[in-house]
Amino acid sequence: AQSVTQLDSQVPVFEEAPVELRCNYSSSVSVYLFWYVQYPNQGLQLLLKYLSGSTLVKGINGFEAEFNKSQTSFHLRKPSVHISDTAEYFCAVTVSGGYNKLIFGAGTRLAVHP
Amino acid sequence: GAVVSQHPSRVICKSGTSVKIECRSLDFQATTMFWYRQFPKQSLMLMATSNEGSKATYEQGVEKDKFLINHASLTLSTLTVTSAHPEDSSFYICSADTGIGTDTQYFGPGTRLTVL
Repeated sequence: AQSVTQLDSQVPVFEEAPVELRCNYSSSVSVYLFWYVQYPNQGLQLLLKYLSGSTLVKGINGFEAEFNKSQTSFHLRKPSVHISDTAEYFCAVTVSGGYNKLIFGAGTRLAVHP
Repeated sequence: GAVVSQHPSRVICKSGTSVKIECRSLDFQATTMFWYRQFPKQSLMLMATSNEGSKATYEQGVEKDKFLINHASLTLSTLTVTSAHPEDSSFYICSADTGIGTDTQYFGPGTRLTVL
């Protein structure tokens, strides 16, 4: 079975500072990895995904993530955050080549302060 | 991009009544739709997977007689919370899969259910 651990429940950061949201996963088979963002009282929006190929993945809104197989990590980064990036961020995993059953991490609340 | 809608966005009902939530894929056909439940400040928990024209597959611990799922067409899935109780109050989110690859899952905006 797959599992996802988001190491930080909350990450406070000042505007224009860099940020990293950590995600580790556990799986005995190959996986696809995703980061989603959720704004208050809204559904989820896909930020980026890793399926195969280059381990550095670029997504929307200036976010990027790096897949590290040896460390089973998929950390999300942004070099300079904006107030509008304040939201809940979820890391998710699904078995590669299989059914689209997403397993989500607990989420990280990113709070950007002026 | 692919758009998924949910209706209603908010619903308040009395204990003991049933509530139906609709999930629609607006500009694509969804072979598979997923229903999630999200408690305040928590992650999404998959409740069930529904395929068009067949019975839904429920996750362990989810009561299939309480959470009725119907996927009657390639663009519509419904979740009916039967005999709702206050503990069923939650944020329900659906997603739809285009069936092309394993990365194409699009989420609806969610439905806030409050049972009094």
